[in-house]
Amino acid sequence: QSALTQPRSVSGSPGQSVTISCTGTSSDVGGYNYVSWYQQHPGKAPKLMIYDVSKRPSGVPDRFSGSKSGNTASLTISGLQAEDEADYYCCSYAGSYVFGTGTKVTVL
Amino acid sequence: QVQLVQSGAEVKKPGASVKVSCKASGYTFTSYGISWVRQAPGQGLEWMGWISAYNGNTNYAQKLQGRVTMTTDTSTSTAYMELRSLRSDDTAVYYCARGGSGTVWFDPWGQGTLVTVSS
Repeated sequence: QSALTQPRSVSGSPGQSVTISCTGTSSDVGGYNYVSWYQQHPGKAPKLMIYDVSKRPSGVPDRFSGSKSGNTASLTISGLQAEDEADYYCCSYAGSYVFGTGTKVTVL
Repeated sequence: QVQLVQSGAEVKKPGASVKVSCKASGYTFTSYGISWVRQAPGQGLEWMGWISAYNGNTNYAQKLQGRVTMTTDTSTSTAYMELRSLRSDDTAVYYCARGGSGTVWFDPWGQGTLVTVSS
């Protein structure tokens, strides 16, 4: 199973919005509404930010939102803050699981 | 609070085996699965497989079939991941996470265990 495709990096100024795409196939992203997103700061374990495409776990700020269209899922961070600078990974259920290639978010 | 605590770093020679533990607390262990995910230095996340803590059913990533075994000890709420015939490209941080079996997300994650394979 090939990794889902994410942009290598995105950046934005504080207060701006950024969107990270996650492109798969009809066998993973397009076939199930089971996309999740993880935030990982350097040297730390990943943290669940979005599950089931667009649901937020308790404690995750509502600045984080998820969506999906066809074979591409997206994570949007609105009102970017300094602490949002991290790596972000999407993940899709596909019978097994497949992660995205990862995106580094830089706050300018 | 829900917490997963993993065993410490390991250094192994090529061809050896490693067994990493993951002790769960703060929830009913048998109500969720445990997944294992690894991350090679400077690389992305790779799903390795899951085990149901309820009945011991497993689902392993195809590329690791035959080299990996996941088990649980419900008496101590601990999950284990054993990887055999280690190669240099198995050098990675290995994470356990709640979920993957019965739930299609991973939360929370353990702190990670660095496994270094070197001669």
